Amino acid sequence: QSVLSQPPSASETPGQRVTISCSGSSSNIGSNYVYWYQQLPGTAPKFLIYRNDQRPSGVPDRFSGSKSGTSASLAISGLRSEDEANYYCATWDDSLSAVVFGGGTKLTVL
Amino acid sequence: EVQLVESGGNLVQPGRSLRLSCAASGFTFGDYAMHWVRQAPGKGLEWVSGISWNSDTIGYADSVKGRFTISRDNAKNSLYLQMNSLRAEDMALYYCAKSPSGDWRTFDVWGQGTMVTVSS
Repeated sequence: QSVLSQPPSASETPGQRVTISCSGSSSNIGSNYVYWYQQLPGTAPKFLIYRNDQRPSGVPDRFSGSKSGTSASLAISGLRSEDEANYYCATWDDSLSAVVFGGGTKLTVL
Repeated sequence: EVQLVESGGNLVQPGRSLRLSCAASGFTFGDYAMHWVRQAPGKGLEWVSGISWNSDTIGYADSVKGRFTISRDNAKNSLYLQMNSLRAEDMALYYCAKSPSGDWRTFDVWGQGTMVTVSS
């Protein structure tokens, strides 16, 4: 059971917008930055969003992050087939003194 | 090009030990915190351990505390993970990951991973 809760799956058609949620608590999301990682099939994770809503260089602006209270969201607009991947949220947990991940959301582009 | 290459993964019996290594290149290794993150087959990501640039700050997940030891050799641009008393639940792909400047708690570069199989 992951400390952060994500829906196990999401799907949308090409060109549309999808949002993936990540829910935590006051000891993690509520008091720390949220990060997002994209893992394409058979590959290592990729740094996607940092400090809630910042994009590393090279990440398209179709990807955006937000945080409110003890929840965070990743939005992907203009969906493409190459966006099919597992998406993980992560943050620091003050009570556990550990980095914690969500269980991951498998995105299918129909 | 920034690169992390893990090695040392193998098939090992429960209760035995294994040491993983991560060779870094393409950046000033000694300036950045480093981590190990694992992924069991078909499962999600789990942070294992992290170490600051000068080894002053070290953290472990509760699941490995007391059994695993992280270390680094900045002169050799290398990160290590000594794993003792291995259990079936430690079986996973182990990724070496680098933290960006000024943010110990995240990972901006990942290696391709090395597989640890724990089985009798």
